[in-house]
Formats: sequence, C-alpha cells, structure tokens
Amino acid sequence: GAVVSQHPSWVICKSGTSVKIECRSLDFQATTMFWYRQFPKQSLMLMATSNEGSKATYEQGVEKDKFLINHASLTLSTLTVTSAHPEDSSFYICSARSGTGYNSPLHFGNGTRLTVT
Amino acid sequence: DQQVKQNSPSLSVQEGRISILNCDYTNSMFDYFLWYKKYPAEGPTFLISISSIKDKNEDGRFTVFLNKSAKHLSLHIVPSQPGDSAVYFCAATTYSGGGADGLTFGKGTHLIIQP
Repeated sequence: GAVVSQHPSWVICKSGTSVKIECRSLDFQATTMFWYRQFPKQSLMLMATSNEGSKATYEQGVEKDKFLINHASLTLSTLTVTSAHPEDSSFYICSARSGTGYNSPLHFGNGTRLTVT
Repeated sequence: DQQVKQNSPSLSVQEGRISILNCDYTNSMFDYFLWYKKYPAEGPTFLISISSIKDKNEDGRFTVFLNKSAKHLSLHIVPSQPGDSAVYFCAATTYSGGGADGLTFGKGTHLIIQP
C-alpha cells in the first residue's frame, strides 16, 4: 500500500535553532500534503496544506514565517521550525493523498516528536 | 471551538464484546467522515469512512453509522479483539473540488480491550 515516510522520528534541539522535518511519499505522487500538530491528549490540528510548486496554505493562527513549508517535488514536503522555542515542542505529523477527490485515501507518516530545550 | 468532539477520552471493553465509539460534530458543512486508529509513536492509520449520503458503512468487524440530523456518528467494532486496543480518532472534512481539504480531528478515544 501507499507509504508516507517522515524523518526524523524524534529530535531534540536547543532554543533558537531551526529544525527541518521531511515528509516523503514513497510509492505515489502527492500534489498535496498536509502538516498536523498534536499536543498531549489533544486532537491532531491541521497547520497547513502544502501544494507542490506553490505556496503553502496556512490555517488561522499558524505563523507562516515560523513554520516554513516547502513542497519542491511531487514526493517531498518539508516543514522547518525556525528559531524554535520550548512551546514548539510537540508531535508533528504529515499526510498525503494517494489520489484525487475528497474520498481518496489519506496516508500519514509516523510523526516527529520535537523537543526544544 | 471544537468542531469534532469525542467526549469519551477512554473506553474499556471486554474481549469478544462490542465496542462503540462516539463522535459528534458541529459544522453542518462536513460531508465526509473518517475513523483512524493510532498506536503510540505511530501515525494514524485509516480504518473506515462514510459519506453524508449514506447512514451506514460496513467493513468486516467495523461498522460506522451516521446520523446527520443529530450530527453524530459512531464506530462499532464487533467482536472486539486485543489488537483493537489503540486510540481512535474521528475526523471530518468537506468536499471541495479536488478534495484538497485537510481533516478536522476529534481528541480521540483510547479503547482498551480487556481479556
């Protein structure tokens, strides 16, 4: 089946540094990828929609200058958390559709646990 | 304002019995609903979905029921098995053109199947 690979699975960084998270669709092309964030015991919150070859669409309240998204190819989207702070510590998950249409399957990566010290 | 609500943080069910997970939504524009299963330290995996034009969808041991007038859906698992122990997320979306919408998730329900 369709696989979405997310890397790294966990990362610890110091406050003020930047961290890049990669999301790859391994056996299908994805024109659209989604980035979610999950705080403990909370739901997955959509942060932004990543569109191949164009700018990402950010949800209300998400700082686009802080969470940089680049969808340079049909199989790769990256999320860069710039100047990370402890409050950015969270679980970040990406997902991608393996087809078109609202009922096409949405496949998730395994997530990245970010801890900012 | 949470548009998708799962009011039970956890649910404990005996093996072999029926597990019923509930989900309520407030946005009347939602017309497609999904259930995901999530193990610790893994991403969610798709379980079953239902379109708003249906009121029931069945796949093996899993059945999803949709009550549009009540803005309520439920996931039934029967019979429940130990491997079903996981967090279950209810999600919803609206149809729009190329289906490029993300999902709105509930907070999840931790299902524990007891032997």
